[in-house]
Amino acid sequence: NAGVMQNPRHLVRRRGQEARLRCSPMKGHSHVYWYRQLPEEGLKFMVYLQKENIIDESGMPKERFSAEFPKEGPSILRIQQVVRGDSAAYFCASSPGLPGNTIYFGEGSWLTVV
Amino acid sequence: EDKVVQSPLSLVVHEGDTVTLNCSYEVTNFRSLLWYKQEKKAPTFLFMLTSSGIEKKSGRLSSILDKKELFSILNITATQTGDSAVYLCAAPSGSARQLTFGSGTQLTVLP
Repeated sequence: NAGVMQNPRHLVRRRGQEARLRCSPMKGHSHVYWYRQLPEEGLKFMVYLQKENIIDESGMPKERFSAEFPKEGPSILRIQQVVRGDSAAYFCASSPGLPGNTIYFGEGSWLTVV
Repeated sequence: EDKVVQSPLSLVVHEGDTVTLNCSYEVTNFRSLLWYKQEKKAPTFLFMLTSSGIEKKSGRLSSILDKKELFSILNITATQTGDSAVYLCAAPSGSARQLTFGSGTQLTVLP
């Protein structure tokens, strides 16, 4: 049973470019979460999605960041016009649903903005 | 605002030592507390605690929750170099749609 799959694992972008990070949840999981981990900091919630719906984006920066989880295909976290401060590890997690379900994390996508 | 605080921030021990990691929380509508181990990649799930005073155990790791005093501890006995990692504590917050994480405890086990 494959775990949460993220790609790319590492991504280098120049300032002003776009970054697209993809996440396929565990089989049977319909809930996807994105977290960001800045260097030397803990994980911070960004957004929670179910298929075709953004349920909670309270942790998402208001500009340049967007997320989707289409009916078919992986969830995508998109960062437009990247800046150096976007350099971080972006973790996707999935769960079967709420409440009380443990969420399982992917290996992360490390974004470096140069 | 919900808060999870871990201590110590870092810890260096020698193989064979026993360590205790602490996690205190202030969470509205508390449901559960989770422990994860992170070794430079995906946080891997260790324990989920929902009831006070009931120890959960997995090999050399164990954890317990005190809902009255609002904290949890993670114990690791007979530590090994492979236990070196960041240990994260988290609690579902808000409407349980997100986890609030502590900043982690960096454990280093020296041979």
